[in-house]
Amino acid sequence: QITLKESGPALVKPTQTLTLTCAFSGFSLYTNGLGVGWIRQPPGKALEWLALIHWNGDQRYSPSLKSRLTITSDKSKKEVVLTMTNMDPVDTATYFCAHSQVYYYGSETKSYFPFWGQGSRVTVSS
Amino acid sequence: SSELAQPPSVSVSPGQTAIITCSGDKLGDKFASWYQQKSGQSPMLLIYQDNMSPSGIPGRFTGSNSGNTATLTINGTQALDEADYYCQAWDRSTVVFGGGTKLTVL
Repeated sequence: QITLKESGPALVKPTQTLTLTCAFSGFSLYTNGLGVGWIRQPPGKALEWLALIHWNGDQRYSPSLKSRLTITSDKSKKEVVLTMTNMDPVDTATYFCAHSQVYYYGSETKSYFPFWGQGSRVTVSS
Repeated sequence: SSELAQPPSVSVSPGQTAIITCSGDKLGDKFASWYQQKSGQSPMLLIYQDNMSPSGIPGRFTGSNSGNTATLTINGTQALDEADYYCQAWDRSTVVFGGGTKLTVL
């Protein structure tokens, strides 16, 4: 059974750095073709993809947020950490981590998200 | 703004067929996935690689993708299908989600 759970602060101040941890079970990032992604959802708005890390260490970032994001993994602890710098009230959202299943299309690596965590609500306010 | 365009809302009567579209440049060449999100819940994968379904997903949910448009079809729509639906694809080596479609079952 695959499960993921996000943890982190519920409230951060503007300009601070947000650190979120995704603890997962039921799969391993040592396994070829797997990864973990982060997706956020502002209140009442659409899903927005943030970052993804693959079993082979490959990291992908949203082009619009790349300068503020870092995704890392600790395979032995089964954790993936996302940091986002210079937080702003517009970053208020529920942050989800999700299990990523890779597939190949020609030479391209693609993936989808079969399993999701419950989400971590983050409010940015002074 | 999303590079995958979805209609903000779709309405359907119980038992009828709901069609939700997702449009993007050459989307038919990129593979699409679909997620259902009910109010207050996490998204759930419905369709991947255009038309594949994870185990446990009812057969009334089907997907297709051609040209610039991916389509999620819900046959025999039920009241419990009322939710937000999101498409997802890859573009230029990054993940993109559509803006979401709210399905109302009247």
